[in-house]
Amino acid sequence: EAGVAQSPRYKIIEKRQSVAFWCNPISGHATLYWYQQILGQGPKLLIQFQNNGVVDDSQLPKDRFSAERLKGVDSTLKIQPAKLEDSAVYLCASSSDRGINQPQHFGDGTRLSIL
Amino acid sequence: AQSVAQPEDQVNVAEGNPLTVKCTYSVSGNPYLFWYVQYPNRGLQFLLKYITGDNLVKGSYGFEAEFNKSQTSFHLKKPSALVSDSALYFCAVKGYQKVTFGTGTKLQVIP
Repeated sequence: EAGVAQSPRYKIIEKRQSVAFWCNPISGHATLYWYQQILGQGPKLLIQFQNNGVVDDSQLPKDRFSAERLKGVDSTLKIQPAKLEDSAVYLCASSSDRGINQPQHFGDGTRLSIL
Repeated sequence: AQSVAQPEDQVNVAEGNPLTVKCTYSVSGNPYLFWYVQYPNRGLQFLLKYITGDNLVKGSYGFEAEFNKSQTSFHLKKPSALVSDSALYFCAVKGYQKVTFGTGTKLQVIP
């Protein structure tokens, strides 16, 4: 099966600019996650979707970050305006709902650098 | 609140020797525990999980993990380390719908 696809792989922008990331999960996976991974740290959950509904966005900085999952498939994560501390790898993951506690399948991430 | 601790930033082991990467957790209710591995410039890959049952869980690439409820630990083990096992390892715990990852342990296998 095809894995989780993310684009772009790398992005460099200046602070106060906006940026968007795209994710295509594994076909049939109802749950989609966006994580922020700062260098030297573990992934931090930003938002979790179940189909096209939000399950958890408690750690999403809503003043600058937004995410959507139209039609319960692809998802986009946007940052506007970007700050220096947003420099990180943004990981998308998906999981199946067939059975409890299925593992997450991760994409290779988008490395964001803010100048 | 649930949490995961990986007390070692880095573990060094000689090739062919057994390895252990430590993880302790805190969660309400039954723990659902996972190990993932991350290679440079790649996403995380699932290794194994504990849901219920046997305390020794076997996973991918010869890895296994031992669940210890009384010590709230879920240590990752492998009987004989390979140089190709060198990577970043993350322990994760799942509570009600939410997954929390540890800070990661860098495993260095020395030839």
